[in-house]
Amino acid sequence: QSVLTQPPSVSAAPGQKVTISCSGRNSNIGDHYVSWYQHLPGTAPKLLIYDNNKRPSGIPDRFSGSKSGTSATLGITGLQTGDEATYYCGTWDNSLSAGVFGGGTKLTVL
Amino acid sequence: QVQLQESGPGLVKPSQTLSLTCTVSGASISNADFYWNWIRQHPGKGLEWIGYIYYSGNTYYNPSLKSRVSISIDTSKNQFSLELSSVTAADTAVYYCARTTVWFGEAYWGQGALVTVSS
Repeated sequence: QSVLTQPPSVSAAPGQKVTISCSGRNSNIGDHYVSWYQHLPGTAPKLLIYDNNKRPSGIPDRFSGSKSGTSATLGITGLQTGDEATYYCGTWDNSLSAGVFGGGTKLTVL
Repeated sequence: QVQLQESGPGLVKPSQTLSLTCTVSGASISNADFYWNWIRQHPGKGLEWIGYIYYSGNTYYNPSLKSRVSISIDTSKNQFSLELSSVTAADTAVYYCARTTVWFGEAYWGQGALVTVSS
């Protein structure tokens, strides 16, 4: 069982918006920045969001991140079929003294 | 843009030591802003952080694996390596190397290497 809690799956139609939640505790999300990753099978997980809401160069502004207390959220607007992937949140946990992840959320664009 | 590539045997026998190397290009492994990590994903499961090494050689391991893990760095080759001892079938996973900032932020990952533990 993963330290951070994500919904196993979400789905939406092309062009629509979806949000993916990531829930944790004071010892992880409550005390550290959150990053989000997009993962397609057989490829390197790709950094989408870091420091809660910053986008690396080359990541479109369709992707956004936010954090409140011990929860974080990834938002994707203007969904495209190419967005179908598994999305992970990650951060550091003070109590475990370890990097931790959510269990991953599989996005289906119907 | 930093690129990372894992390499090493894809098959390891039980009780032996798993060894992987990560070759970094597009960035210096001696940069004091970054940490060099190993992460794994068991088949059909989530991600598990194994540990990291800093350019100085300082290491930090996941307490759950600490007794079996060793991470080393070779700044002359811009590489860092993982050794996991006394492996069992439960160590079968895709192993990723990744560069992060402090507190495990902003990770850039390699493509991953599947390691199967089997006799």
